[in-house]
Amino acid sequence: EAGVAQSPRYKIIEKRQSVAFWCNPISGHATLYWYQQILGQGPKLLIQFQNNGVVDDSQLPKDRFSAERLKGVDSTLKIQPAKLEDSAVYLCASSSRLLGTEAFFGQGTRLTVV
Amino acid sequence: DAKTTQPNSMESNEEEPVHLPCNHSTISGTDYIHWYRQLPSQGPEYVIHGLTSNVNNRMASLAIAEDRKSSTLILHRATLRDAAVYYCILRDSSGGSNYKLTFGKGTLLTVNP
Repeated sequence: EAGVAQSPRYKIIEKRQSVAFWCNPISGHATLYWYQQILGQGPKLLIQFQNNGVVDDSQLPKDRFSAERLKGVDSTLKIQPAKLEDSAVYLCASSSRLLGTEAFFGQGTRLTVV
Repeated sequence: DAKTTQPNSMESNEEEPVHLPCNHSTISGTDYIHWYRQLPSQGPEYVIHGLTSNVNNRMASLAIAEDRKSSTLILHRATLRDAAVYYCILRDSSGGSNYKLTFGKGTLLTVNP
């Protein structure tokens, strides 16, 4: 079974520039998560999709971050404009809707804002 | 979200058992107890989960207290590859929180050769 695919693996941008991350979840997984992980901290949930609808985006900085999940499959997370404090690893995960099932994570995109 | 409390760090010796504790005194009846671990430069990976009964799989065992207010992840023979941050997470199975998966700070496990 193919895992969660993310690209790019690494990205370096200057502050005030924009950046986009892409995620392809495991086939058939209805739930998709985007997390931000700052060095030394646990992952922080930014947004959660159920199929192509948003079910939780309470911690997404909506003035600069946006995300979409077209046709309930792939997803993109965008930052515009980026700030220095956005430097982090952005993780995508997916899971099925079955009770208590595990979530599968991609390897993440490491973003450095300079 | 129901919260969990874990020690910041623990040490173990290779080939010895490791018991990683987690307190979750505000757990609700519909919360599953999940454990994930994160190896250096990797995304988190699922380890094990349970609701009320103790659980075993190829990676670990999960011992759940009778009152469900605490649990322990057991690695039966630690190897150097088990060095990681271990997260104990409560996941609401009722659907009310849409199966949210909220991470805390976790426990950094160091395995000595």
